[in-house]
Amino acid sequence: AQTVTQSQPEMSVQEAETVTLSCTYDTSENNYYLFWYKQPPSRQMILVIRQEAYKQQNATENRFSVNFQKAAKSFSLKISDSQLGDTAMYFCAFLLGSDKLIFGTGTRLQVFP
Amino acid sequence: EAGVAQSPRYKIIEKRQSVAFWCNPISGHATLYWYQQILGQGPKLLIQFQNNGVVDDSQLPKDRFSAERLKGVDSTLKIQPAKLEDSAVYLCASSLGLPGETQYFGPGTRLLVL
Repeated sequence: AQTVTQSQPEMSVQEAETVTLSCTYDTSENNYYLFWYKQPPSRQMILVIRQEAYKQQNATENRFSVNFQKAAKSFSLKISDSQLGDTAMYFCAFLLGSDKLIFGTGTRLQVFP
Repeated sequence: EAGVAQSPRYKIIEKRQSVAFWCNPISGHATLYWYQQILGQGPKLLIQFQNNGVVDDSQLPKDRFSAERLKGVDSTLKIQPAKLEDSAVYLCASSLGLPGETQYFGPGTRLLVL
């Protein structure tokens, strides 16, 4: 069975600084997909970034980028130039095929002015 | 393009009462998911539909929860009778259903059982 671990329950960062959120996962599969979702207080899950395991190149999306280390089963999210609107819960998630997403327990990020 | 719609947004009921949630996925999305998110946890799948057929309902408490997706579009999730531990946010998501496709989430329904 696949598992996802987020070891940082809470993180904080000052506006305009950079922060990295950690995620590790466990699987015996070779082809899978990894996601970072953001959940603001409204509770709606918003896609931040997506990575295909068969691609060696790390995904980037504007201020958001990932460090995908397949051998280490690590998938961290880097947020550059942090903004107040980045304050939210961040969930790392694993997907096999078109099955269910397996989520971590989340990291609460607070951006301070 | 319209996103995933859910209603109601909030619901407060007493234990042993029944409740129903509705979800309208993104147009053209074949796969629909219902997740339960208990406070402080990540979402966990309750049921997955492909068109109007059930793909995975292994984590659905079938003695009290039921779900259907008539005509392969809208879906309803029902709880009868509700228990205190059913207090959670119920998230509906949809995707094209192809491997690796992103799942897009609705705003969720926040349920409080008293």
